[in-house]
Amino acid sequence: DVKVTQSSRYLVKRTGEKVFLECVQDMDHENMFWYRQDPGLGLRLIYFSYDVKMKEKGDIPEGYSVSREKKERFSLILESASTNQTSMYLCASSRQGWTGELFFGEGSRLTVL
Amino acid sequence: LAKTTQPISMDSYEGQEVNITCSHNNIATNDYITWYQQFPSQGPRFIIQGYKTKVTNEVASLFIPADRKSSTLSLPRVSLSDTAVYYCLVEGSGAGSYQLTFGKGTKLSVIP
Repeated sequence: DVKVTQSSRYLVKRTGEKVFLECVQDMDHENMFWYRQDPGLGLRLIYFSYDVKMKEKGDIPEGYSVSREKKERFSLILESASTNQTSMYLCASSRQGWTGELFFGEGSRLTVL
Repeated sequence: LAKTTQPISMDSYEGQEVNITCSHNNIATNDYITWYQQFPSQGPRFIIQGYKTKVTNEVASLFIPADRKSSTLSLPRVSLSDTAVYYCLVEGSGAGSYQLTFGKGTKLSVIP
């Protein structure tokens, strides 16, 4: 069964802390994505990667960075967490190309106090 | 970028057919339309994808008119378990950049 696994379902952090959200996929997919989901706003793309060490900004990259050192792993980094980054974060992966089916993880709910 | 617009919510009785329409006026030639379903506390799940005319699979149909500026997801004979949020997504390499523009989703409530 194909799987996208996010390291933490729930996290609570304090303002100014550095936060790492990890995502691993076992489908040998080239593309990986990070979204955030907020009530009334739907899913918004933060960053995506189409290859190891490659990254592209999505619609809302400010305040975030990413790392992709291995094909199966894509990390989202909040250098200095702020309260407005409290949200549900969703990782997804897809095969190479522009129109592949997205496979999502179950999400990481981050609360920044 | 191809922005999408969907109704915020819809209600339906069990056993009825439900049609959810998504508007994507700026869709590019190479873009596809994909629909996802999301239950609470889960990530979205792929339902169906199409480029033009009609696509049907075991759970839904997707209707896309010739101008491709909108699409309609059709769910036949819905049940309580179809209560979820449905997202329309435009995917493609329009304007030379990778586009993954989700709409804000339509919350479908199925009533017994």
